[in-house]
This record gives sequence, structure tokens and C-alpha cells, in this order.
Amino acid sequence: AQTVTQSQPEMSVQEAETVTLSCTYDTSENNYYLFWYKQPPSRQMILVIRQEAYKQQNATENRFSVNFQKAAKSFSLKISDSQLGDTAMYFCAFASTGANSKLTFGKGITLSVRP
Amino acid sequence: EPEVTQTPSHQVTQMGQEVILRCVPISNHLYFYWYRQILGQKVEFLVSFYNNEISEKSEIFDDQFSVERPDGSNFTLKIRSTKLEDSAMYFCASRPGTAIAYSNQPQHFGDGTRLSIL
Repeated sequence: AQTVTQSQPEMSVQEAETVTLSCTYDTSENNYYLFWYKQPPSRQMILVIRQEAYKQQNATENRFSVNFQKAAKSFSLKISDSQLGDTAMYFCAFASTGANSKLTFGKGITLSVRP
Repeated sequence: EPEVTQTPSHQVTQMGQEVILRCVPISNHLYFYWYRQILGQKVEFLVSFYNNEISEKSEIFDDQFSVERPDGSNFTLKIRSTKLEDSAMYFCASRPGTAIAYSNQPQHFGDGTRLSIL
């Protein structure tokens, strides 16, 4: 079974600064997918970014980028130029490559962006 | 952009009562999921559904739970006899059909139904 660990319960960053959220996972699979989801106070689950394990290049989406270290089973999210709207809970998630694969989530980290 | 819609947004039910949570997945999606998030905790997988049958279920998904796709558009989660510990946010998710290129077909989540058991 896969596990996803987010050991930091909360972080705070000044607006316009950069912050990195950590995530580690454990799996015996060689190919899989990793995701970061954002959950603002409204409680929606919004996909931020995704990474395919067989791709060495780190995924980027505008201000969001990941540092994927497959050997270390590490998948951190970097948010550049933090904005007040980035304040939310962030969940790291794992999915196998099967067509019907479920998402396995970490416990999440609460990010607060200070004005 | 198509969305997964869930109703109601908030459901309050007496303990022991049956409750049905409703979801309308994105129309061309074939895989459907229910997840649960107890307040302050992580999101947990409940069940996945494909081709009108359950594909996988977690240990949380016991005999009190059932899922159904009654009319080709709705996807429902029923809890037969609710318990206090069923109080949580319930998320429905869906994704398209082909197994290839999963990375281009992530799960799309609804806004959730907050279930409060009294």
C-alpha cells in the first residue's frame, strides 16, 4: 500500500515571497502520478499541479512548481510570488497508473499568506 | 468548463437516519469516486465505481454504505443508518475513460457535501 506523508502541519509566508511545502511518499511501484491539491476555506478541492513519475522534468504551472526526487521519494511544491489567495490547505496525493486508480492523500498542510 | 456538481451542499440528519448524497459527474467521464474528509483530517478514499459496479472500496466503506448510478447521470452515496462519526465532508470525483495518459485526465472534484449527524 502507498503512503503519503506531509510532516509540516502549517506554514506561513509573507506576500510576494516564496514558500516550499514538503511531501514524501512510499511505494514499491516504478511508475505512478503525484499531485498537489489546494483546499481553500470554501472546502473545494482544486488541482494545482501534477507530475508523472517517469518524467524527469519537474512540472510547472505558472507560479507553482515541484521538486520531484524519485529516488528520495520526495515531491515538494514551491509557490513563488505568494498571493493572499494562496492561503489554503494543501494536500499531496499519489495515484497508481491503473485506469481506476484512487488518490491517496497526505494529511495536508495549512498555508497562511501574510499581507 | 464542465464541473462535478454535488447536492446538497450541507445535510443535517438525525443519527440512525438514512441519507443520500448526490453527485452529477462530468458527462463524458466514466470513473467515479467518493472520498470523505472528517473535519481537520486528511481526505480518505471510500469507493470507486466503473461500468456500473464497484471497482474498489476501502475498509471505511462497510455495509452501511452503498453507491448507485441510477439514471446514467447521477451518482449517489447512501448511508443507511448514520452514526455520529459519519459527520464529514463528502467529495465526489470523476475522470474520463481511457487508461492511457492518466496525467492528462486527473480526477475532477465536486465542491463537497457537508454531512452533520446530530
